[in-house]
Formats: sequence, structure tokens, C-alpha cells
Amino acid sequence: DAGITQSPRYKITETGRQVTLMCHQTWSHSYMFWYRQDLGHGLRLIYYSAAADITDKGEVPDGYVVSRSKTENFPLTLESATRSQTSVYFCASSESLAGGMNTGELFFGEGSRLTVL
Amino acid sequence: AQSVTQLDSQVPVFEEAPVELRCNYSSSVSVYLFWYVQYPNQGLQLLLKYLSGSTLVKSINGFEAEFNKSQTSFHLRKPSVHISDTAEYFCAVRPSGTGGFKTIFGAGTRLFVKA
Repeated sequence: DAGITQSPRYKITETGRQVTLMCHQTWSHSYMFWYRQDLGHGLRLIYYSAAADITDKGEVPDGYVVSRSKTENFPLTLESATRSQTSVYFCASSESLAGGMNTGELFFGEGSRLTVL
Repeated sequence: AQSVTQLDSQVPVFEEAPVELRCNYSSSVSVYLFWYVQYPNQGLQLLLKYLSGSTLVKSINGFEAEFNKSQTSFHLRKPSVHISDTAEYFCAVRPSGTGGFKTIFGAGTRLFVKA
């Protein structure tokens, strides 16, 4: 099915372990984003990507690594998970703003709930 | 830089009553404004957006929001809510120029509609 899919949907891991959250979109959107959702904070931007091989930090990038070798994939890696990274992670995509009245509306995946013990 | 403040973390309301969810923003550049809705265990989806033109924008399910530039607000309203409107609502902004693509979200408002 077309859209944006995240995997795994649920993950429990231990402190210090490496975890990778996957994100795949079928729209060929230029922009992709990773947000984390925490009670009282709403959504905070971790990393974003404007195109393949172009990534940049958001508001809360510490402890996370991203890559984007292909337009459709944007994995998020926690190299050494900490309890403070327990959260719900959302991947989103957006068309480029170039070429007209594109508003940059975000299209979200269903989220990955990560628990770090 | 932009910031968004949602003035109420939770709003309980009875079915068929009116509701207003408040949102104020701060930005040094012109912005697009959005309301997203999140139903339980789902991702966010766009509810409505303001780009330019008429300051009153409406969704297909009866919500409306009004852009007030002088007060830098974008409050969301519905004249009569349903149980199915129970969800979390997020106000968001992003710069309107072609170089702006980072969307900033408020902390969210949980709307709880009671029978």
C-alpha cells in the first residue's frame, strides 16, 4: 500500500543497546523527518532530510544518528539507548516547497513506541 | 525561530457543546499555520491549514480556525462536538518561504468529549 510505514511498531530494549527504527515512504517526497512525542512536550524534531544524502539536526538530535541513502528510506538509529529515549517516534514526509503552492503538509507514519529499560 | 504555545493541555466538554482550543505562535517571519489531529494509537493527520487569503479556514468535519495576525493566534473551534472528536490536537507552524520546511509543534491539547 502507498504511504509511510514505520517498523517496528513496538520495541523494548535495554540501556546501552543499539536500536534502529525504520521508515519507508512510497510518495517520493523530498523531505523526511523524525519526531519524538513525549507528554507535555508535543512533538520535537530530531533530524530531518531534504533529499537523499542530505540530513541535518533538529531540536533534539543528541544520541541519534540518521542516514538517507535512498529517497524512500530514512532510518533512525539510537547508538546506545538511554532511558530518556523512551518515547513514541514518528516519521513524516513532505513534498518540496519548490514549484508552486505546496504547503509542506506533513504525512505521518503510525509511530514506533520504544521502551528503554 | 518559531514557537507555538497551546494554552490548554486538556479540555473536557460535553457532547454537542461548543469548544475552543487555543493556539498562539511566535515567529519573526511569515508562516503557514496548521492544526493536526491524533486519534488514539495513530499518527497525526492534517485537520486544516492557513496559507493565505481568508483568515477563516474550515475542515470537512465541522472544525474551523481563524488566523489573527495582530494577536498571533490560530484558535480552533467547533460549534457542536461529538464523542468521535475525542483526540489530541496539535497546532503547528512552519515558515512560508521556500527555504522553510521545519514544522514546529505545540505541546498538544487533549480534547475529551463526554456523553
